[in-house]
Amino acid sequence: ETGVTQSPTHLIKTRGQQVTLRCSSQSGHNTVSWYQQALGQGPQFIFQYYREEENGRGNFPPRFSGLQFPNYSSELNVNALELDDSALYLCASSTRSPDEKLFFGSGTQLSVL
Amino acid sequence: TQLLEQSPQFLSIQEGENLTVYCNSSSVFSSLQWYRQEPGEGPVLLVTVVTGGEVKKLKRLTFQFGDARKDSSLHITAAQPGDTGLYLCAGEVNSGGYQKVTFGTGTKLQVIP
Repeated sequence: ETGVTQSPTHLIKTRGQQVTLRCSSQSGHNTVSWYQQALGQGPQFIFQYYREEENGRGNFPPRFSGLQFPNYSSELNVNALELDDSALYLCASSTRSPDEKLFFGSGTQLSVL
Repeated sequence: TQLLEQSPQFLSIQEGENLTVYCNSSSVFSSLQWYRQEPGEGPVLLVTVVTGGEVKKLKRLTFQFGDARKDSSLHITAAQPGDTGLYLCAGEVNSGGYQKVTFGTGTKLQVIP
């Protein structure tokens, strides 16, 4: 148990729809990072939030957006869903220190039909 | 962009055998982490190595960070079925004021009883 919870666990959407995924960070952690993981591959960095602001972004289009709330929980929003967006979406919380340890949730499995 | 290539991509071995997983990059990292991920779960941190040439042991697992801090290896002695999973290396760099963690391509290990 990492203390990081994600919801929902599974989600099925159709192409063109919008989706919101949620993440509650571990107590005491002020930074949340989101990753996209295709089956059998390593997670790809989407973006990171620190103190309610986007703090860094990977190679993902603007239709991937996020929020961080005062309690450090976070949302990932994806607009205009495409078939290739089907993946496991992982949230990781940390304390934004050097050699930071990432604590992952179990992820949200998104299927886009 | 920091790329981390892992080899082999897949590995299926008998219980009791030894194995080594490699993680290579052309980039220098401030630290390198190894994670194990089981189906339906997020990655779980095994170890962090920070110093070039550093060797860390975790029971039957031995982790080494390359002298130049560009590569790493994971050696498992006398593998057991419980070692089955996806092994991920991840390199950390300071990128524009935040600690960016980039994951490798992953090594899927199956240990057959």
